[in-house]
Amino acid sequence: EVQLVQSGAEVKKAGQSLKISCKGSAYNFTSHWIGWVRQMPGKGLEWMGMIYPGDSDTMYSPSVQGQVTISADKSISTAYLHWSSLKASDTGMYYCAKKGVTSPYFDYWGQGTLVTVSS
Amino acid sequence: QSVLTQPPSVSGAPGQRVTISCTGSNSNIGADYDVHWYQHLPGIAPKLLIYGDTNRPSGVPDRFSGSKSGTSASLAITGLQAEDEADYYCQSYDSSLSGVVFGGGTKLTVL
Repeated sequence: EVQLVQSGAEVKKAGQSLKISCKGSAYNFTSHWIGWVRQMPGKGLEWMGMIYPGDSDTMYSPSVQGQVTISADKSISTAYLHWSSLKASDTGMYYCAKKGVTSPYFDYWGQGTLVTVSS
Repeated sequence: QSVLTQPPSVSGAPGQRVTISCTGSNSNIGADYDVHWYQHLPGIAPKLLIYGDTNRPSGVPDRFSGSKSGTSASLAITGLQAEDEADYYCQSYDSSLSGVVFGGGTKLTVL
């Protein structure tokens, strides 16, 4: 069964760096885009960007471009979302999700990583 | 302000039929990009309900159906059950933004 397992909840201070992870299993990790989707407190789902692990090609939403970095290590079937300097407004739930075969929908999702940033 | 517009809430009694609309523009739904739908319960990973406008993944009951026309799409749920109470999101691709876009979400309440 396809699974995406994310790293655990994080509590950080503003200005600190953070990298959260998403490990895929039971499918060809290198051949499917992995997206990151966030949900801020009380808000809806928002696409942040995605990466093709086979060649590390990445796409970012204009709203987060330059604020985060998406990367992947195909040797261990893991994608990452990295902040170099967190802000309190980065507090939220972050999901990774595997893109489907055809158009950009997400057929499998990680369980989510809660990131809490204090100011 | 989401690129795709959904009603904030809908409600219905058990057994009834409800629809959730998703209105976009000529750079997303109107450009014939596929529309997809997700069910989301707080604290749980979103679940794909409909992909490619009308297709149900294996395991999704046929009570859920999707449609699209012009710059809008809809999710219909028939035979409403208490377990359907959740947030529902539409999603597509936008050529102006060159990326994936979600609707603002609709909270379904089963009365």
